Amino acid sequence: KNQVEQSPQSLIILEGKNCTLQCNYTVSPFSNLRWYKQDTGRGPVSLTIMTFSENTKSNGRYTATLDADTKQSSLHITASQLSDSASYICVVSLYNTNAGKSTFGDGTTLTVKP
Amino acid sequence: DTAVSQTPKYLVTQMGNDKSIKCEQNLGHDTMYWYKQDSKKFLKIMFSYNNKELIINETVPNRFSPKSPDKAHLNLHINSLELGDSAVYFCASSQAGVDNSYEQYFGPGTRLTVT
Repeated sequence: KNQVEQSPQSLIILEGKNCTLQCNYTVSPFSNLRWYKQDTGRGPVSLTIMTFSENTKSNGRYTATLDADTKQSSLHITASQLSDSASYICVVSLYNTNAGKSTFGDGTTLTVKP
Repeated sequence: DTAVSQTPKYLVTQMGNDKSIKCEQNLGHDTMYWYKQDSKKFLKIMFSYNNKELIINETVPNRFSPKSPDKAHLNLHINSLELGDSAVYFCASSQAGVDNSYEQYFGPGTRLTVT
């Protein structure tokens, strides 16, 4: 069964600190892995996408890594800001299947405190 | 211009009623989706349409019926609403491809409360 598991479920950090969110998956055949950020009361917005051959991708203070062998990904946030408080969702998509077949993780809720 | 729009933003209704949520995208995408996000913030796909054709139906009760009059619209009709239907419903759209690499653009969500 295709699964995506994220950890931790929730995380509280102080402003300015770094943090790392984890995503483990068993999705196959793997096409790509995307991290979304969802602010409270809004729809998710894509941060990064990585395919099988990519092992790191950055978007400003966000850096995602992918280990396709161990089927693990992480999202590292550097110098956190209050606006980073959100839910971060890991999404893994299948290859060569019906359009948009993706498996969503349950998300990590990040709270950045001043 | 809003890329993916949904109406209404909030919907409060009583059990047993029938309601519809509308979704429109102006991105020229071929694929549209409906997601349900429950109180625990878990996002679950309900339906996916590609060029007005139903592609994914994830074990959603028959009371939920999506309708796609054209590529830019995917509406969600819910019959005989139940308390458990209370959630935030998100519409999304994307380009389509065999590698599913295209980003999904989400609407602002519709918060449905069934009393």
